[in-house]
Amino acid sequence: AQSVAQPEDQVNVAEGNPLTVKCTYSVSGNPYLFWYVQYPNRGLQFLLKYITGDNLVKGSYGFEAEFNKSQTSFHLKKPSALVSDSALYFCAVRANSGGYQKVTFGTGTKLQVIP
Amino acid sequence: SQTIHQWPATLVQPVGSPLSLECTVEGTSNPNLYWYRQAAGRGLQLLFYSVGIGQISSEVPQNLSASRPQDRQFILSSKKLLLSDSGFYLCAWSSTLPGGPEAFFGQGTRLTVV
Repeated sequence: AQSVAQPEDQVNVAEGNPLTVKCTYSVSGNPYLFWYVQYPNRGLQFLLKYITGDNLVKGSYGFEAEFNKSQTSFHLKKPSALVSDSALYFCAVRANSGGYQKVTFGTGTKLQVIP
Repeated sequence: SQTIHQWPATLVQPVGSPLSLECTVEGTSNPNLYWYRQAAGRGLQLLFYSVGIGQISSEVPQNLSASRPQDRQFILSSKKLLLSDSGFYLCAWSSTLPGGPEAFFGQGTRLTVV
């Protein structure tokens, strides 16, 4: 069975500082990995994905994520946080084995950027 | 480009009443379609997914059902709502084409059962 862990319920960071939101995963086979952002009472917005290739993936709004196979991690990063980045962030994993595969989401991490 | 429409945005329904939430996707063919429920503003629970017309798989037993009468239409229904059905419901789609595994979400429906 596949799973995703987001160990931090909430991350606080000062505006202008770098931010990291952690994610680890467990899946059989090679993973597809995703990050989504959710603003209050809105749907999830896709930020970025890892399928294969370069371990550093760049996405929307200046976010990037680093795939680390040995640590089974896919942490979300941004060099300089903005107040508008404050939102709920979800990591997700899907097994890469052909056909339909269920996407499993983490429980979410609330990011609070302090002015 | 592809878009996903989900309505209504908010809904207040009495216990025992029926439910119908609709989701449509534009700009793509034969998408995978999903219904999720998000409780307490956090975790996402997959309720149903569909890989084609009339093909529905249920992830958890519950008071809800789903149907896919057309390729790009996905409906979430209940005959009699329970208080525990309250929550934030999200429809999503993903492409069946290689290289497009990510899901795209609608704006969600806030359902309050009273």
